[in-house]
Amino acid sequence: DTGVSQDPRHKITKRGQNVTFRCDPISEHNRLYWYRQTLGQGPEFLTYFQNEAQLEKSRLLSDRFSAERPKGSFSTLEIQRTEQGDSAMYLCASSFPPGETQYFGPGTRLLVL
Amino acid sequence: EDQVTQSPEALRLQEGESSSLNCSYTVSGLRGLFWYRQDPGKGPEFLFTLYSAGEEKEKERLKATLTKKESFLHITAPKPEDSATYLCAVQATGNQFYFGTGTSLTVIP
Repeated sequence: DTGVSQDPRHKITKRGQNVTFRCDPISEHNRLYWYRQTLGQGPEFLTYFQNEAQLEKSRLLSDRFSAERPKGSFSTLEIQRTEQGDSAMYLCASSFPPGETQYFGPGTRLLVL
Repeated sequence: EDQVTQSPEALRLQEGESSSLNCSYTVSGLRGLFWYRQDPGKGPEFLFTLYSAGEEKEKERLKATLTKKESFLHITAPKPEDSATYLCAVQATGNQFYFGTGTSLTVIP
Protein backbone atom coordinates (compact mmCIF):
# COMPACT_ATOMS: atom_id res chain seq x y z
CA ASP A 1 0.00 0.00 0.00
CA THR A 2 1.56 3.33 -1.06
CA GLY A 3 -0.90 5.66 0.63
CA VAL A 4 -0.08 8.53 2.97
CA SER A 5 1.55 7.33 6.19
CA GLN A 6 1.94 9.16 9.51
CA ASP A 7 4.06 8.42 12.53
CA PRO A 8 3.43 8.05 15.40
CA ARG A 9 -0.24 7.12 15.38
CA HIS A 10 -0.66 8.13 19.02
CA LYS A 11 1.29 10.47 21.28
CA ILE A 12 0.76 11.30 24.93
CA THR A 13 2.84 14.11 26.34
CA LYS A 14 2.93 16.44 29.31
CA ARG A 15 2.16 20.11 29.02
CA GLY A 16 5.25 22.10 28.10
CA GLN A 17 7.00 19.31 26.21
CA ASN A 18 7.86 19.45 22.51
CA VAL A 19 6.48 16.89 20.06
CA THR A 20 7.26 16.10 16.43
CA PHE A 21 5.12 14.23 13.94
CA ARG A 22 6.14 12.81 10.58
CA CYS A 23 4.18 12.46 7.35
CA ASP A 24 5.19 10.48 4.27
CA PRO A 25 3.00 11.43 1.29
CA ILE A 26 2.13 9.32 -1.72
CA SER A 27 5.43 9.11 -3.59
CA GLU A 28 4.61 11.11 -6.72
CA HIS A 29 2.60 13.79 -4.89
CA ASN A 30 4.35 17.15 -4.69
CA ARG A 31 1.73 18.91 -2.54
CA LEU A 32 1.46 18.18 1.16
CA TYR A 33 -1.00 19.56 3.70
CA TRP A 34 -1.35 19.50 7.48
CA TYR A 35 -4.71 19.71 9.22
CA ARG A 36 -5.91 19.56 12.82
CA GLN A 37 -9.19 17.93 13.78
CA THR A 38 -10.92 18.04 17.14
CA LEU A 39 -13.83 15.87 18.22
CA GLY A 40 -17.03 16.63 16.34
CA GLN A 41 -15.35 19.06 13.96
CA GLY A 42 -14.11 18.85 10.42
CA PRO A 43 -10.38 19.05 9.64
CA GLU A 44 -8.95 22.56 9.98
CA PHE A 45 -6.21 23.69 7.61
CA LEU A 46 -2.81 24.42 9.17
CA THR A 47 -0.26 24.67 6.39
CA TYR A 48 0.60 23.60 2.85
CA PHE A 49 3.79 22.74 0.93
CA GLN A 50 4.50 22.50 -2.73
CA ASN A 51 7.68 20.48 -3.02
CA GLU A 52 9.93 21.90 -0.27
CA ALA A 53 8.36 25.37 -0.25
CA GLN A 54 5.86 26.24 2.47
CA LEU A 55 3.37 28.32 0.51
CA GLU A 56 0.53 28.90 2.93
CA LYS A 57 0.01 29.00 6.69
CA SER A 58 -3.24 29.39 8.56
CA ARG A 59 -3.68 32.47 10.75
CA LEU A 60 -4.56 29.95 13.44
CA LEU A 61 -1.05 28.48 13.40
CA SER A 62 0.70 29.93 16.43
CA ASP A 63 4.44 30.52 16.69
CA ARG A 64 4.74 27.29 18.66
CA PHE A 65 3.97 25.31 15.50
CA SER A 66 6.53 24.78 12.77
CA ALA A 67 6.52 22.53 9.74
CA GLU A 68 9.24 21.49 7.34
CA ARG A 69 9.59 19.49 4.18
CA PRO A 70 13.34 19.64 3.60
CA LYS A 71 13.72 17.53 0.47
CA GLY A 72 10.22 17.80 -0.91
CA SER A 73 9.35 14.31 0.25
CA PHE A 74 8.38 13.65 3.89
CA SER A 75 7.31 16.45 6.21
CA THR A 76 7.52 17.06 9.94
CA LEU A 77 5.22 19.10 12.17
CA GLU A 78 6.66 20.24 15.48
CA ILE A 79 4.73 21.70 18.38
CA GLN A 80 6.81 23.42 21.03
CA ARG A 81 5.72 23.96 24.65
CA THR A 82 2.55 21.94 24.17
CA GLU A 83 -0.67 23.09 25.80
CA GLN A 84 -3.77 21.08 26.66
CA GLY A 85 -5.62 22.86 23.87
CA ASP A 86 -3.25 21.24 21.37
CA SER A 87 -4.87 17.86 22.03
CA ALA A 88 -6.35 16.82 18.69
CA MET A 89 -5.91 14.56 15.67
CA TYR A 90 -3.23 15.87 13.32
CA LEU A 91 -3.86 14.85 9.74
CA CYS A 92 -1.57 14.95 6.74
CA ALA A 93 -2.79 14.87 3.14
CA SER A 94 -1.10 14.93 -0.26
CA SER A 95 -2.12 15.69 -3.83
CA PHE A 96 -0.63 15.94 -7.29
CA PRO A 97 -1.76 18.49 -9.88
CA PRO A 98 -3.68 18.89 -12.06
CA GLY A 99 -6.04 16.92 -9.80
CA GLU A 100 -6.91 18.76 -6.62
CA THR A 101 -8.09 15.75 -4.64
CA GLN A 102 -6.29 15.41 -1.33
CA TYR A 103 -5.62 11.93 0.04
CA PHE A 104 -5.36 11.69 3.79
CA GLY A 105 -3.19 9.65 6.10
CA PRO A 106 -4.48 7.86 9.22
CA GLY A 107 -3.59 10.78 11.49
CA THR A 108 -1.61 11.22 14.70
CA ARG A 109 -3.72 11.54 17.83
CA LEU A 110 -2.09 13.85 20.38
CA LEU A 111 -3.09 14.00 24.03
CA VAL A 112 -1.51 16.69 26.19
CA LEU A 113 -1.83 16.04 29.92
CA GLU B 1 -15.95 34.58 4.18
CA ASP B 2 -15.80 31.05 2.77
CA GLN B 3 -18.14 28.76 4.64
CA VAL B 4 -19.38 25.17 4.49
CA THR B 5 -22.46 23.94 6.38
CA GLN B 6 -23.55 20.32 6.56
CA SER B 7 -26.93 19.01 7.62
CA PRO B 8 -28.20 17.13 9.43
CA GLU B 9 -25.53 16.78 12.13
CA ALA B 10 -26.62 13.22 12.77
CA LEU B 11 -28.85 10.79 10.90
CA ARG B 12 -30.15 7.37 11.93
CA LEU B 13 -31.55 5.15 9.20
CA GLN B 14 -32.95 1.68 9.08
CA GLU B 15 -31.09 -0.64 6.74
CA GLY B 16 -32.54 -0.09 3.26
CA GLU B 17 -34.00 3.35 4.08
CA SER B 18 -32.65 5.81 1.50
CA SER B 19 -31.86 9.42 2.39
CA SER B 20 -29.74 12.44 1.48
CA LEU B 21 -27.07 14.48 3.23
CA ASN B 22 -26.71 18.18 2.46
CA CYS B 23 -23.66 20.39 2.07
CA SER B 24 -24.30 24.09 1.45
CA TYR B 25 -21.44 26.46 0.73
CA THR B 26 -20.55 30.08 0.18
CA VAL B 27 -17.17 30.50 -1.43
CA SER B 28 -15.62 32.93 -3.85
CA GLY B 29 -14.72 30.98 -6.94
CA LEU B 30 -15.40 27.29 -6.37
CA ARG B 31 -12.62 25.12 -7.75
CA GLY B 32 -13.98 21.86 -6.45
CA LEU B 33 -16.27 20.19 -3.93
CA PHE B 34 -15.13 17.00 -2.26
CA TRP B 35 -16.90 14.29 -0.27
CA TYR B 36 -15.05 12.13 2.23
CA ARG B 37 -16.04 9.31 4.57
CA GLN B 38 -14.40 9.16 8.00
CA ASP B 39 -14.54 6.21 10.38
CA PRO B 40 -13.84 6.81 14.08
CA GLY B 41 -10.14 7.31 14.81
CA LYS B 42 -9.14 7.23 11.13
CA GLY B 43 -8.27 9.74 8.45
CA PRO B 44 -10.87 10.84 5.88
CA GLU B 45 -11.30 8.50 2.92
CA PHE B 46 -11.89 10.13 -0.46
CA LEU B 47 -15.24 9.48 -2.13
CA PHE B 48 -16.00 12.05 -4.86
CA THR B 49 -14.85 15.27 -6.49
CA LEU B 50 -17.36 17.58 -8.22
CA TYR B 51 -16.25 20.61 -10.22
CA SER B 52 -19.30 22.24 -11.78
CA ALA B 53 -23.04 22.68 -11.23
CA GLY B 54 -25.03 19.83 -12.71
CA GLU B 55 -22.26 17.30 -12.26
CA GLU B 56 -23.08 13.92 -10.69
CA LYS B 57 -20.86 11.07 -9.52
CA GLU B 58 -21.86 7.58 -8.37
CA LYS B 59 -20.16 4.80 -6.48
CA GLU B 60 -22.03 1.75 -5.25
CA ARG B 61 -24.89 3.02 -3.01
CA LEU B 62 -23.66 6.63 -3.03
CA LYS B 63 -24.43 9.41 -5.49
CA ALA B 64 -23.15 12.97 -5.21
CA THR B 65 -24.71 15.94 -6.99
CA LEU B 66 -23.74 19.61 -7.19
CA THR B 67 -25.64 22.86 -7.71
CA LYS B 68 -24.36 26.43 -7.51
CA LYS B 69 -25.07 26.62 -3.78
CA GLU B 70 -25.10 23.09 -2.42
CA SER B 71 -24.25 19.46 -2.86
CA PHE B 72 -26.17 16.36 -1.90
CA LEU B 73 -24.89 12.92 -1.04
CA HIS B 74 -27.67 10.46 -1.74
CA ILE B 75 -27.49 7.08 -0.04
CA THR B 76 -29.64 4.38 -1.61
CA ALA B 77 -30.61 1.30 0.41
CA PRO B 78 -27.87 1.82 3.00
CA LYS B 79 -26.23 -1.04 4.88
CA PRO B 80 -24.77 -1.00 8.41
CA GLU B 81 -21.25 -0.78 6.94
CA ASP B 82 -22.18 2.64 5.52
CA SER B 83 -22.23 3.97 9.09
CA ALA B 84 -19.57 6.72 9.33
CA THR B 85 -19.16 10.47 9.37
CA TYR B 86 -19.47 12.02 5.92
CA LEU B 87 -17.45 15.19 5.39
CA CYS B 88 -17.86 17.80 2.68
CA ALA B 89 -15.00 20.13 1.71
CA VAL B 90 -14.73 22.97 -0.80
CA GLN B 91 -11.69 24.42 -2.47
CA ALA B 92 -11.92 28.09 -3.35
CA THR B 93 -9.39 30.20 -5.22
CA GLY B 94 -6.44 29.17 -3.06
CA ASN B 95 -5.25 25.70 -2.17
CA GLN B 96 -7.02 25.46 1.17
CA PHE B 97 -9.84 23.02 1.72
CA TYR B 98 -12.68 24.27 3.93
CA PHE B 99 -14.44 21.39 5.66
CA GLY B 100 -17.90 21.20 7.13
CA THR B 101 -18.45 19.61 10.52
CA GLY B 102 -19.80 16.43 8.97
CA THR B 103 -22.92 14.29 9.17
CA SER B 104 -22.71 11.28 11.45
CA LEU B 105 -24.66 8.47 9.80
CA THR B 106 -25.82 5.39 11.68
CA VAL B 107 -27.50 2.57 9.77
CA ILE B 108 -29.42 0.17 11.99
CA PRO B 109 -29.76 -3.46 10.88
